[in-house]
Amino acid sequence: AQSVTQPDIHITVSEGASLELRCNYSYGATPYLFWYVQSPGQGLQLLLKYFSGDTLVQGIKGFEAEFKRSQSSFNLRKPSVHWSDAAEYFCAVHALTGGGNKLTFGTGTQLKVEL
Amino acid sequence: NAGVTQTPKFQVLKTGQSMTLQCAQDMNHEYMSWYRQDPGMGLRLIHYSVGAGITDQGEVPNGYNVSRSTTEDFPLRLLSAAPSQTSVYFCASSLRDQNIQYFGAGTRLSVL
Repeated sequence: AQSVTQPDIHITVSEGASLELRCNYSYGATPYLFWYVQSPGQGLQLLLKYFSGDTLVQGIKGFEAEFKRSQSSFNLRKPSVHWSDAAEYFCAVHALTGGGNKLTFGTGTQLKVEL
Repeated sequence: NAGVTQTPKFQVLKTGQSMTLQCAQDMNHEYMSWYRQDPGMGLRLIHYSVGAGITDQGEVPNGYNVSRSTTEDFPLRLLSAAPSQTSVYFCASSLRDQNIQYFGAGTRLSVL
């Protein structure tokens, strides 16, 4: 079965600093990988996705992520964080089984941005 | 463009009460799912459906029932609410041949 690990529960960065959120996955085949963001009291918004091809994928709001098969990682990065990026971030792996599209989520990383 | 609509947004129940969380999508998506979100545990799959008339269990199905009579609607029923079901519930949908799931805004449920 697939699994996702987000080792950092909380991260605090200063506005303008760079950001990297870690995600490691376990999946037997080539994974479909996602990053979602959840602002307080809101639903989940898709930031970016990796299906195949170029291992560096660009998303919305200036985020990018790099798929590294050798490290089973899909880390999320942003060169310069804005105060509005404060939110919870979830990494997820998709398993297309005979039973449908299933997402397995990590436990999330709460990002705090200091002004 | 409504997308995935969940109602109600907030609900408080007493232990033993029943209720139905509603989920509707207007994108003609075949797949629909219910997740619950608990602190420190991310989102966990409760039930899912691959089309009208077809449902299956996810990771944490106990205490919940679902049905899918139409493509648009996928209600989640709690027959006898328990405090352990206090959570935030999210509904999601996707096309059969597209791996991106679209989420509703969630329902915050408290069981006293």
